[in-house]
Amino acid sequence: GAVVSQHPSRVICKSGTSVKIECRSLDFQATTMFWYRQFPKKSLMLMATSNEGSKATYEQGVEKDKFLINHASLTLSTLTVTSAHPEDSSFYICSAAPGQHGGYTFGSGTRLTVV
Amino acid sequence: GQNIDQPTEMTATEGAIVQINCTYQTSGFNGLFWYQQHAGEAPTFLSYNVLDGLEEKGRFSSFLSRSKGYSYLLLKELQMKDSASYLCHLMDSNYQLIWGAGTKLIIKP
Repeated sequence: GAVVSQHPSRVICKSGTSVKIECRSLDFQATTMFWYRQFPKKSLMLMATSNEGSKATYEQGVEKDKFLINHASLTLSTLTVTSAHPEDSSFYICSAAPGQHGGYTFGSGTRLTVV
Repeated sequence: GQNIDQPTEMTATEGAIVQINCTYQTSGFNGLFWYQQHAGEAPTFLSYNVLDGLEEKGRFSSFLSRSKGYSYLLLKELQMKDSASYLCHLMDSNYQLIWGAGTKLIIKP
């Protein structure tokens, strides 16, 4: 149980375009989902906390107009990287609670490459 | 303030035991988690401690002392596949997640 599906796993896009990443909780309802970014050989960086039915809470330094988060249902949260830039190339990961044994379940991640 | 410290990198030998420490400061506490992350993959859950003491799960054990703000992850009978980053994070009283920078564990034959 407690599976989070993230899609797509890899995406390559051109500079200036937008990319949407989906995060779905398959067998549980997630009122809260988290979006992370990870640069190579770095720890996870929390970008924002997504709450169902309300506006996301962004961490300091994360541009809310650039990283649009929508959590319209209890099983789906989306992250849209708008006007993508090569510097946005990164590994994006979502997670949701509850996970197994009280932890958080993570999606498999999306590797974004902006060319 | 709130922060978590863990060593940046550790090296151990296959078949041996290694202990990865995590110290923290927080204004409130709702549990401490350990995750394993292989390069290019999402983290996988290892353990959760909210009460003091040792939690054992096969080759992996996790210990917590809330009064000392200290936790460790103990890995026994190390295997080459245990080479990964190990992330320590806690949940504060507002259910916010605070992450350590991760410890890269290198296993040598």
